[in-house]
Amino acid sequence: DQQVKQNSPSLSVQEGRISILNCDYTNSMFDYFLWYKKYPAEGPTFLISISSIKDKNEDGRFTVFLNKSAKHLSLHIVPSQPGDSAVYFCAASSGSNYQLIWGAGTKLIIKP
Amino acid sequence: EAGVAQSPRYKIIEKRQSVAFWCNPISGHATLYWYQQILGQGPKLLIQFQNNGVVDDSQLPKDRFSAERLKGVDSTLKIQPAKLEDSAVYLCASRSIRGNSPLHFGNGTRLTVT
Repeated sequence: DQQVKQNSPSLSVQEGRISILNCDYTNSMFDYFLWYKKYPAEGPTFLISISSIKDKNEDGRFTVFLNKSAKHLSLHIVPSQPGDSAVYFCAASSGSNYQLIWGAGTKLIIKP
Repeated sequence: EAGVAQSPRYKIIEKRQSVAFWCNPISGHATLYWYQQILGQGPKLLIQFQNNGVVDDSQLPKDRFSAERLKGVDSTLKIQPAKLEDSAVYLCASRSIRGNSPLHFGNGTRLTVT
């Protein structure tokens, strides 16, 4: 039972354009969502998060949108840069135990 | 600050052998996690410690996997005996208990069981 789903295994975007990565979840008890970025042979690094009391959080070129009624969140990267090429993981948690449930990841490729 | 340290980076063993992984978390981080990541999947939690106590080990295959965090700092994860399906990257992560501070991951140990 996949509670967090990233349906696109890969995404290719032209440098300078917007990258949109999507994530769907099924558990309505999730109240905190995060995006992590992973380069090959490295561990995931934290990118941005959002609490369920918000519908948008922005940090520089990165914006996360949360649509609770649709149980959907998305990560927007504007403008996309070559260094953004990586695998992006969506994760969710509920309550205070901070036990994250992870999606399978989306590989983002930024074309020059 | 220094990041999460893991060793070794790579390990190749034959099935039925044993293997151990080591993790040193970020200084002051009370919570430590071990994850298993199989290629093409997201990380799967194996065990979570807070200080030297186990918070959750419900997904740890206890017949072959064991983990400890003596003195609430470093941790080791052991597999004995290994199976082919244990081939994966084993990630250690730590976090501060303050609010919603994020997990910080090490670079992982890539295990290949032949």
